[in-house]
Amino acid sequence: SQQGEEDPQALSIQEGENATMNCSYKTSINNLQWYRQNSGRGLVHLILIRSNEREKHSGRLRVTLDTSKKSSSLLITASRAADTASYFCATAPISGGYNKLIFGAGTRLAVHP
Amino acid sequence: SQTIHQWPATLVQPVGSPLSLECTVEGTSNPNLYWYRQAAGRGLQLLFYSVGIGQISSEVPQNLSASRPQDRQFILSSKKLLLSDSGFYLCAWSARATGTGELFFGEGSRLTVL
Repeated sequence: SQQGEEDPQALSIQEGENATMNCSYKTSINNLQWYRQNSGRGLVHLILIRSNEREKHSGRLRVTLDTSKKSSSLLITASRAADTASYFCATAPISGGYNKLIFGAGTRLAVHP
Repeated sequence: SQTIHQWPATLVQPVGSPLSLECTVEGTSNPNLYWYRQAAGRGLQLLFYSVGIGQISSEVPQNLSASRPQDRQFILSSKKLLLSDSGFYLCAWSARATGTGELFFGEGSRLTVL
């Protein structure tokens, strides 16, 4: 079953703009992770935020987590054409353990030069 | 550094034919191993995971099976493919020691069943 639900499903922006993607989930989690997938390729881990953390940064990425609302957001600042990809959130539910990450359907980001 | 290899990258198979997808990990020991399937434009569905040689957990009843004959080798198989088995299959590993579930993916195998 889907645990994470991302929105929007698709996002189109110009280079230099910020891109914000949201993820909602249903059950209590150990951590939430964001992954990136270029078309036809494998997924690449971007950032992990633990359930006791509220915000995390990595380069141009900023992730927030609100466990009371069961939601997370991924912000990509000063986007580049190379950021064009699909972005997925994945949750490690407390009940399922770390071996059962549950992925959402993803947000397709298009960054236009 | 750790690397993960998955093959073949693409295959087209007739309905009823067998399937074997292989995945190997280098540069680490005792990894947790996973097979995911991704339908077009969708998220990933966990099919199987393994925490050790010969230990396989199946998440979804289906026409597929998995095996782990060696510590860093994970194989996805089917005796008779169905049309619904078409999709993008991804192998992944995680480090048991870190305990976070962070996954490292292969490049995927695109299967088309005709």
